[in-house]
Order: sequence, then C-alpha cells, then structure tokens
Amino acid sequence: SQQGEEDPQALSIQEGENATMNCSYKTSINNLQWYRQNSGRGLVHLILIRSNEREKHSGRLRVTLDTSKKSSSLLITASRAADTASYFCATGPGYSTLTFGKGTMLLVSP
Amino acid sequence: DADVTQTPRNRITKTGKRIMLECSQTKGHDRMYWYRQDPGLGLRLIYYSFDVKDINKGEISDGYSVSRQAQAKFSLSLESAIPNQTALYFCATSDWEHTGELFFGEGSRLTVL
Repeated sequence: SQQGEEDPQALSIQEGENATMNCSYKTSINNLQWYRQNSGRGLVHLILIRSNEREKHSGRLRVTLDTSKKSSSLLITASRAADTASYFCATGPGYSTLTFGKGTMLLVSP
Repeated sequence: DADVTQTPRNRITKTGKRIMLECSQTKGHDRMYWYRQDPGLGLRLIYYSFDVKDINKGEISDGYSVSRQAQAKFSLSLESAIPNQTALYFCATSDWEHTGELFFGEGSRLTVL
C-alpha cells in the first residue's frame, strides 16, 4: 500500500515560475526523501529531511516537513525546462525500506 | 560506468517463460532492492536484501524470486511470466549507514505477451 501520496498528480508551469508539490503520509516516519525521475529513467535522490527537522534547502530546492499534519512540500524555485520530470516522495520508519508515492509529473515550458 | 547496472534494459517475452533480471553495483553497499513501477501506481517494493544471507519479501513478492549471489549482485526472477508482470523494474542500493538515500539503476522494461 502507498504510504506517501503526492499532490497534484500533474503540474504545468512556465520557466522562471516556482513549482510546489506536496506529499502526505499515513504513519510515523523517521525520514522523508524526495526523488526525481526523468521519463523512463532511474530515480535520482534530491533531498532527505529527518523527522526532527522542519525545513531543508539544497540549491533551488526547499523542503518542509510538518509531522503534526503528516505532510511535506517540495518547492523548486525559478524552474527551468530541465526540471521537467516526475517527483516522488518516499518515507521510511528508518532507512531499511522506503515506500514511494505515485508521483507528481512536472512540466516546465520554455 | 554506472554505479548500479541492470541487464537487460528491455525484454519482450511470452507468457509462461522464465525471466531473470540482473543487477550489479559498484557502490559497495550491503543493502539492495528490487522495485516495480507501473503507470499511475508509483514504485512498489518486491524484495530486498540486507546482505548475502538476508533476503526479505516486500509488498508484492508473489510470482517473483530473488538471489543474492554476492554483495554486488542481486537478481530477480519470474519463474513463469504473466502479462500483468509487464512493468518497469528497478534495482537500487542503499547508503543506509550514511545518507539513507537509494541509488537506482536505469531500469529493465519487461513486456510479457
């Protein structure tokens, strides 16, 4: 069963705009991770946030975590066409196994 | 060379055939995973292995088996393929001791006719 659920399922924006996608999960977690997948390719790790952290930054990425609401958001600032991909959140009680959501498809138009 | 290599990258087979998907890694990680991706369903865990002698079933292990031949090699087998096993299969390794992130191969696209 899916632990994380991303929202929206699809997002279409123009270059330069910010993209925000959300992830909700059901049970307690130790960490939450975001991954990116270019069409049909392997997933690539973007960022990890631990349950005792509220916000984390990496380049143009900003991730927040609200454990009281069991939700996380991924913000990509100043989007580029190259950011076009699917984005997945993944959660785990620890680092043993991760459960992935269904993903948000992001389309950034030039 | 890629850190996590999957073979074959594409395979078309017929119902009832035995299929093996292979995965090798140069990351030196103990933990390896097989995931399946279907459109609209995200990734689902099939099997995982914490070391050569430790194999565990994931969420959807029925119809699949695995073999951990060495720390670097983890194979997924479909003993008798069926059409609903048509999917994109991913192998991954885990840097659980440090960053907790997964490193994925490029995937094996399997079509069962």
